[in-house]
Amino acid sequence: EPEVTQTPSHQVTQMGQEVILRCVPISNHLYFYWYRQILGQKVEFLVSFYNNEISEKSEIFDDQFSVERPDGSNFTLKIRSTKLEDSAMYFCASSDQGANTGELFFGEGSRLTVL
Amino acid sequence: GENVEQHPSTLSVQEGDSAVIKCTYSDSASNYFPWYKQELGKGPQLIIDIRSNVGEKKDQRIAVTLNKTAKHFSLHITETQPEDSAVYFCAASWGNNNDMRFGAGTRLTVKP
Repeated sequence: EPEVTQTPSHQVTQMGQEVILRCVPISNHLYFYWYRQILGQKVEFLVSFYNNEISEKSEIFDDQFSVERPDGSNFTLKIRSTKLEDSAMYFCASSDQGANTGELFFGEGSRLTVL
Repeated sequence: GENVEQHPSTLSVQEGDSAVIKCTYSDSASNYFPWYKQELGKGPQLIIDIRSNVGEKKDQRIAVTLNKTAKHFSLHITETQPEDSAVYFCAASWGNNNDMRFGAGTRLTVKP
C-alpha cells in the first residue's frame, strides 16, 4: 500500500542550527502538508502546498520556516536558526483530493530535538 | 480561524465497554469532520469521517454524530478492545482544501 515516508526519523541539533526534514508523499497526490506535534499536545497545522506553491500557512509558519518541492517527489521543510521550542514531532501528510475532500495520509513523523 | 476543542484528554474503559469522545468547533463554515487514530510511534490515520449534510455515520464498531446547530461532533466506539487503545484526534475542515485543524487528542486506554 502506498505510504508517505519521512526522513530522518529523529534528528538532534544544536540551537541556532538549520535542519531540513524530508518527506516523500504518495506519488499521485497533489496536496501536501506539514504539521507538528509538541509532546503531549495537539497536532498543529503549519503549512499546505499545492501546485508548487504555498496555499495556506498558520501563524506558526513564520520566516524561520520554508518548504520546497525540489524535484517532483520530495517535499521538504526547512527550519532556520532552530530554537528550543521547535522541538517536536513533525508530520508530513499528502492527499489526492485535499483536506476538505478526502483523507490526509500521514507519515510516521520526524522527531526534532533542539538542545 | 477554526478552533477545535476535544474532551476528555484521557479516557480509560474496560474491554467491552463503550467509549465516547466529544469535540466542538468554532467556525460554522466547517463542513468536514474526520477522526484520526494515532498509535504509538506512528502518524495519525483516518478511521471515520462525516460531512455536514449528515447527522450520523457508522462503520462497524465506530460511529460519529454531528450536531451542526450546537457545533459539536462525537466519536462512539462500542465493544472496545485492547487494540483500540491509542490517541484519537478529531478535526475540522472547511471550504478549501488547504487546511485542517485538529483537537488536542484523547488518549484512550482499554483495559483487558
